[in-house]
Amino acid sequence: DAKTTQPPSMDCAEGRAANLPCNHSTISGNEYVYWYRQIHSQGPQYIIHGLKNNETNEMASLIITEDRKSSTLILPHATLRDTAVYYCIVSPDDSGGYQKVTFGTGTKLQVIP
Amino acid sequence: DTAVSQTPKYLVTQMGNDKSIKCEQNLGHDTMYWYKQDSKKFLKIMFSYNNKELIINETVPNRFSPKSPDKAHLNLHINSLELGDSAVYFCASTLKQGTEAFFGQGTRLTVV
Repeated sequence: DAKTTQPPSMDCAEGRAANLPCNHSTISGNEYVYWYRQIHSQGPQYIIHGLKNNETNEMASLIITEDRKSSTLILPHATLRDTAVYYCIVSPDDSGGYQKVTFGTGTKLQVIP
Repeated sequence: DTAVSQTPKYLVTQMGNDKSIKCEQNLGHDTMYWYKQDSKKFLKIMFSYNNKELIINETVPNRFSPKSPDKAHLNLHINSLELGDSAVYFCASTLKQGTEAFFGQGTRLTVV
């Protein structure tokens, strides 16, 4: 499995953009970058994923570098409800292979009023 | 309707007991998982089933036995519970390996 590296914690002012980095230098060509978050002790929640191109949905934007060795999750206007642990993981595409989805330690984002 | 539901939400039991946690998904997904999150908040995969077939079995004591009666259910049975089994257990499902995973709300198991 490709491993990911994230800063353990970050602060962001409410209303500002939160930029969460992730390094995945050993990612292989068929592996997607996924982002999940876990609010307090709830179940992890899917945010967004991408392969090569930048992606945007109603929750966030995902910027993947051209060499795919790193990515950034952007929450454009952070709110207090975005305070959570954010996990960046890599996972294979639908190749029929059965590989485990492994969570790292994530980044604890604290949104400050 | 809840996509992935686990029961019970809380479970307090004594050492040595046997207990089960149930998980059901109504998404029509093929693959289901059990994760354990300990006091250090690290989410670790335990098992994965695809269409009732075991495909991932991490280094988990054999006191833990998953059972999948059909592809919508993946139950976790734990024998001879130990203090170290205290954790939050999450069930999840995906349509296929590598696609978006949906998680249940967790079962907080406390062994006393």
